[in-house]
Parts: sequence; structure tokens; C-alpha cells
Amino acid sequence: KQEVTQIPAALSVPEGENLVLNCSFTDSAIYNLQWFRQDPGKGLTSLLLIQSSQREQTSGRLNASLDKSSGRSTLYIAASQPGDSATYLCAASNDYKLSFGAGTTVTVRA
Amino acid sequence: NAGVTQTPKFQVLKTGQSMTLQCAQDMNHEYMSWYRQDPGMGLRLIHYSVGAGITDQGEVPNGYNVSRSTTEDFPLRLLSAAPSQTSVYFCASSFNQGTGYTFGSGTRLTVV
Repeated sequence: KQEVTQIPAALSVPEGENLVLNCSFTDSAIYNLQWFRQDPGKGLTSLLLIQSSQREQTSGRLNASLDKSSGRSTLYIAASQPGDSATYLCAASNDYKLSFGAGTTVTVRA
Repeated sequence: NAGVTQTPKFQVLKTGQSMTLQCAQDMNHEYMSWYRQDPGMGLRLIHYSVGAGITDQGEVPNGYNVSRSTTEDFPLRLLSAAPSQTSVYFCASSFNQGTGYTFGSGTRLTVV
């Protein structure tokens, strides 16, 4: 069974600082790994999708890396803004199923 | 293109009642799935479907039924609601295993 862990559980930083969010998974036979953002009381918004054959994926200030052999992915958010405050979830895809971490709740202080 | 649409957004049920959570997508996605999100437990897979007429159980299927008669729709049925089924339910869809999933906005269910 795939187990996904996210560290840290919560993070508070001043505006402008770079964010580093970590995700680890136990079964390296993944199809891809997806990062989501969730605002309080809302649904999941997809941020980045990294295929198992890729090392990284970038979108604007967001960059996600994937090291499948070690079972790790990292989401980098450059020059954080108060609007980046949310919970970030990673999900590993195996056999038509997503396995989620518990999330990292980020607060960016103005 | 509405994406993944879930109805209702909120629902309160009494213990023992039954109901159906609706999920529809207009992206011609083959894969659809239901998750529940509980504090401290994260998102857990209830049931999933890889195409019309094909469904399978996820991690927490007890107390729920699904069917997939069309590509577009994937309803989740609660047979006899219990307080333990109080949760936020999300429906998701994907074109295939290599593409990412799109999530609906969720249904917040309370069973009293």
C-alpha cells in the first residue's frame, strides 16, 4: 500500500521568503505525482503534475522536483506572497488511484 | 466546459437515511473516483471507475455503493447513513493514468 508523508505539517514565513515543501512516498512504481493547493473550505486545485520519467516541472514561481528512486518530491515556491497561504497536498498515482499526504499548511505573513 | 460538477454542496442527513451524491464531468474522462476528506486522516479513496460499467473498491468502501452507467456520471450512494460518514466528499476525474486529476468542489455531509 502506498504511504505518502508530507513534512512539515505547518509552515509560517514572512512575505518574500522562498518556500520548500517536502513529500515522500513508499512505493516508487508511480505513474506520476501531482501537487494540489486547497484553500479553507474549498476544493483541490492542481498546481503541477510530474510524470514518473521527469525530474522536474515548472509553472511560474512554482517548481516541483521528483526523485522516484528515493521516493521524494519537493515543491519550491519562490518569493512567497500572502496569497500563497493555503494547504498544499501531494498525491502519488498508482494503478488508477491517488494516495495523498496529510498536507502542509502554509501561512505567509505580510 | 464545466469540469467536474458535484451536487449538492451541503447536506444534513439523519442516521439511517439514504442519499446519492452526484458527480458529473464533461471532459470525456475515462477515470472517475470518490474520496472523503476527514481532519487528521487526509483524503482517502472510496470507490473508483476506469470506464463505463467498470467500478472497484478503494481504501474505505464500506457503506457506499457506486455505478457507472455513462462516461459522464459517477454517483455515490450512501445506503444507511451513519455519523461516521460525516465528511467532505470529493469527486475526481482523469483522462488516463498519465494525466492529472481534476477535482470537484466537494460535498459537505453531516449525519446526525
